[in-house]
Order: sequence, then structure tokens, then C-alpha cells
Amino acid sequence: DARVTQTPRDKVTEMGQEVTMRCQPILGHNTVFWYRQTMMQGLELLAYFRNRAPLDDSGMPKDRFSAEMPDATLATLKIQPSEPRDSAVYFCASGRGLVIQGDTQYFGPGTRLTVL
Amino acid sequence: GIQVEQSPPDLILQEGANSTLRCNFSDSVNNLQWFHQNPWGQLINLFYIPSGTKQNGRLSATTVATERYSLLYISSSQTTDSGVYFCAVERRLTGGGNKLTFGTGTQLKVEL
Repeated sequence: DARVTQTPRDKVTEMGQEVTMRCQPILGHNTVFWYRQTMMQGLELLAYFRNRAPLDDSGMPKDRFSAEMPDATLATLKIQPSEPRDSAVYFCASGRGLVIQGDTQYFGPGTRLTVL
Repeated sequence: GIQVEQSPPDLILQEGANSTLRCNFSDSVNNLQWFHQNPWGQLINLFYIPSGTKQNGRLSATTVATERYSLLYISSSQTTDSGVYFCAVERRLTGGGNKLTFGTGTQLKVEL
């Protein structure tokens, strides 16, 4: 049963520390999405990739966030330095095509980040 | 930016009942999606529906793009339908890329 995996599932860190979240998309999927969910802001799309290339990261704070796909089996979201306002659940999703083509996205379980 | 409003914010149903969830948006969009988040936080992409009607089992969705709303119908509701239903609209940006904006969701609880 193919699924998107995310690590770690929970992360508690102190302000100023670097945080790296990892996502393994479903094998064969060529599109990866990063979302953030907070009580205050709700769900937000941070970035998405197709064939490992960033298509859009306009939803992502550029000064401290970076997203990469070093290879087809790994996507990373890094925050450096982390701040308390970054506390959220970060979801990764993968799909077979572009969002505008209407392909289904499959979500991972999320990484719950707490920055103290 | 575009505003996305969902109603009702909360809904309690008895198992077997039908319901309609609504999503209004303030400007033209290129696409619209419905998502379900179960009580354990797992997200599922339900529909891509920029216009027209789609059905998947007991769920169906209709988007009337010219009037800027979408409806999600749940028939014969089951306790497993509980959770939060989000709609999200997508707009193509003039500088390239797409902007996805989520509504605040409808919290649904289906009781026995």
C-alpha cells in the first residue's frame, strides 16, 4: 500500500535552531507539495515541485525557509533559524501531475513542529 | 487577495442524514478543490472541480464558477465522514505560478 512518509512525526526545538523535515513521496509521483497548518492561519500551501524542480514557492517565507528535492525519493523543508511562530503541522503531499491538471494529491501524516 | 468562505462552520448530523456544505469565493478562479481532514489529522483530496458536477460514492460536488460558489453533498452520512471539510481555490498569478487559498473549513460530526 503506497503512501507518503514524513519524518520526524514530532519535533520540539528551541528558537534559533535549524529544523529539517523530510518527505518521501509515493514512488512514481513527480509532484510534491508542502503545506502548513496552524490554528491561526489554517492551511497554507508553501511550495510545490514537479520533476524535482520548484514550480512555485511564493507561499513560503524566503528569509528562513527553503525547500529542495535532492532526488526523486526525498523532499526536504528546512527552517533556519526557527521561531515560535513556525510552530505548526507541516504536511507533504505527492501526485502524478500539476495541481491544475486535477490529479489527486496523497498526503503524508504530517510533522508536528513546536518551537519553544 | 481572494476571500474563501465556508458555511456552515459547524454541523452535527445523525448517521444516515444528508448534508450540503458551501464554499463561496470572491473572485474568478482556475480551479477548486475539496479536502477532508479526519479527526486524527489525515488529509484527503476529495475533488478537483473548477466547474460542473462530480460524484464519488456518497459524495458529490458542484461548482458554479460564474456565481463563485461550490457545494459538497454528503448523502447517507456515516461516522467516518466526521472531520473538517476544506475548500481551496487556485488562481494563476500574473508573474507565474499558482496561488492556492483555503477556506476555514466546516467541522462535521456524524453521530450514531
